[in-house]
Amino acid sequence: EAQVTQNPRYLITVTGKKLTVTCSQNMNHEYMSWYRQDPGLGLRQIYYSMNVEVTDKGDVPEGYKVSRKEKRNFPLILESPSPNQTSLYFCASSFKGQGSYGYTFGSGTRLTVV
Amino acid sequence: KNQVEQSPQSLIILEGKNCTLQCNYTVSPFSNLRWYKQDTGRGPVSLTIMTFSENTKSNGRYTATLDADTKQSSLHITASQLSDSASYICVVSPYSSASKIIFGSGTRLSIRP
Repeated sequence: EAQVTQNPRYLITVTGKKLTVTCSQNMNHEYMSWYRQDPGLGLRQIYYSMNVEVTDKGDVPEGYKVSRKEKRNFPLILESPSPNQTSLYFCASSFKGQGSYGYTFGSGTRLTVV
Repeated sequence: KNQVEQSPQSLIILEGKNCTLQCNYTVSPFSNLRWYKQDTGRGPVSLTIMTFSENTKSNGRYTATLDADTKQSSLHITASQLSDSASYICVVSPYSSASKIIFGSGTRLSIRP
């Protein structure tokens, strides 16, 4: 089944403890992106990647890192999480050039930083 | 600044009734406009996609319309079902950057039996 898989689905952590949220897609998509969703603000782009080893900042990149060493994986790294990063996170992917068509989203990761 | 605004913020209707959700955007030029359905705690799922030259697109009981002159889109849901309870998000892709799609904040729809 074609899908974007995020792990974990739920995570509670403490301020300052590094964490990684994994994202993997099995559709051979070139384009991958991370979003956070907060009440009343909609989805905001954190980082995106047009292909392997090509990443760029979205609208809210502060406090996050990403890497794209393989086409299928695009992990989101929080080096020193803070409470304001408590949010619902989504990974998405699509074919390059069709990035504005048919994004496939993961099921989400609900992160709580205390 | 490119923006996408949706109305209403929330809507409650009875099962079996029709409803229309609105999306106004300032993105211009744009490549396409999409409507997504997002169940609580889940990832958005695409319902319809329209390019700037299309006026209407249907997907079962969902029909999206687009007026590029007034920069408005609507999503009409016919004969609503309990499973239609979700958030509906309007998304616009600027022509200049497929990677910088712009999300509306969504309309939360609740269907009551």
